[in-house]
Amino acid sequence: SQTIHQWPATLVQPVGSPLSLECTVEGTSNPNLYWYRQAAGRGLQLLFYSVGIGQISSEVPQNLSASRPQDRQFILSSKKLLLSDSGFYLCACPSGDRGSGENSPLHFGNGTRLTVT
Amino acid sequence: RKEVEQDPGPFNVPEGATVAFNCTYSNSASQSFFWYRQDCRKEPKLLMSVYSSGNEDGRFTAQLNRASQYISLLIRDSKLSDSATYLCVADRGSNSSASKIIFGSGTRLSIRP
Repeated sequence: SQTIHQWPATLVQPVGSPLSLECTVEGTSNPNLYWYRQAAGRGLQLLFYSVGIGQISSEVPQNLSASRPQDRQFILSSKKLLLSDSGFYLCACPSGDRGSGENSPLHFGNGTRLTVT
Repeated sequence: RKEVEQDPGPFNVPEGATVAFNCTYSNSASQSFFWYRQDCRKEPKLLMSVYSSGNEDGRFTAQLNRASQYISLLIRDSKLSDSATYLCVADRGSNSSASKIIFGSGTRLSIRP
């Protein structure tokens, strides 16, 4: 089964500073990869997904960008953080288990809790 | 309208009670459905997939009603350890190779002794 590594676990950054969150996956090749954000007390919002190296799809216009420089590496970035970028950032990939339809359920990394001050 | 909607709760029930959550989804083309559990300040973890015929895993039963586009989760004989937020999940049903998985905002459950 896959293992998803995310770091750092927590991060406190000032407004206007840059951001780089990294996600790496083990135990699978050419996975679809996803970035979600969860604001405090809210649900998960899909930010980006990627089907392969260099292929990024954005779900919502925002202050963030994503890149996939290697097959099992997915990076979330920002040039200048906003207060509204605070949240719990989760990287995910399909677990490979059989789901109820075409898609297998997602498996998440431990997440990065970002606080922008 | 949200793509996946849940009652946010909180549901506060005594230990041993039976509790049920419902969730509605807006995309009739959705094919894959799941329930996740999320503990405070942790990542969501898969509880169970939801199959058309309904499925059971111990004290947990999930059902899908395609005609009404809702999914349910039933927890029997609830335990203190069941206290968590339960997330309803559906895909967008697209044929793309990276079908988008959409999460509801979650229903908070608190089991009291």
